[in-house]
Amino acid sequence: KAGVTQTPRYLIKTRGQQVTLSCSPISGHRSVSWYQQTPGQGLQFLFEYFSETQRNKGNFPGRFSGRQFSNSRSEMNVSTLELGDSALYLCASSLGQGFVNTEAFFGQGTRLTVV
Amino acid sequence: DAKTTQPPSMDCAEGRAANLPCNHSTISGNEYVYWYRQIHSQGPQYIIHGLKNNETNEMASLIITEDRKSSTLILPHATLRDTAVYYCIVRAPLNNAGNMLTFGGGTRLMVKP
Repeated sequence: KAGVTQTPRYLIKTRGQQVTLSCSPISGHRSVSWYQQTPGQGLQFLFEYFSETQRNKGNFPGRFSGRQFSNSRSEMNVSTLELGDSALYLCASSLGQGFVNTEAFFGQGTRLTVV
Repeated sequence: DAKTTQPPSMDCAEGRAANLPCNHSTISGNEYVYWYRQIHSQGPQYIIHGLKNNETNEMASLIITEDRKSSTLILPHATLRDTAVYYCIVRAPLNNAGNMLTFGGGTRLMVKP
């Protein structure tokens, strides 16, 4: 079956702009989580959506937001971009409920560069 | 979720076993040990997980000490393609609070010919 698909793969934006990233989870998976990876801070959890509801949120400013649609696809948005937002943004998909051993499947990521 | 400690880097000869240690001395009784790896420029990949018993799958073996304060991931016959950053994560069972993974610094494994 198809894996986790993130679009676009690469993106260059200017400071102050906003950006929307997309993630299509594995078919049947209802949980989508987003992570930011930078050389300095490593992999950090942004938020998780399950059944169109935000279930968990990391320690990021309100400029970072997301949503999930009824087909489980998710988008994350970053407004008023700063240079420090340059990072690899990863999406992870999982069944999300009822299984203690559920594993997360990651996409290839979107590499965002803010100039 | 409990904090984990891993060596920042390790080398291994191709074809030999790679043993990656992880310390999780504050692990709680219901917390699982998960291992993921990240090959350069790709998303992390699930390897294996366990609670208290040793586990084995097609990729690796996981050895958890009896007191559960540490574990070792074993790649029995390392290949050049196993060069990656390996993350040990401890987390509670999935519940309605969510499916968050807390990544530490990981161990950068370099497999050499």
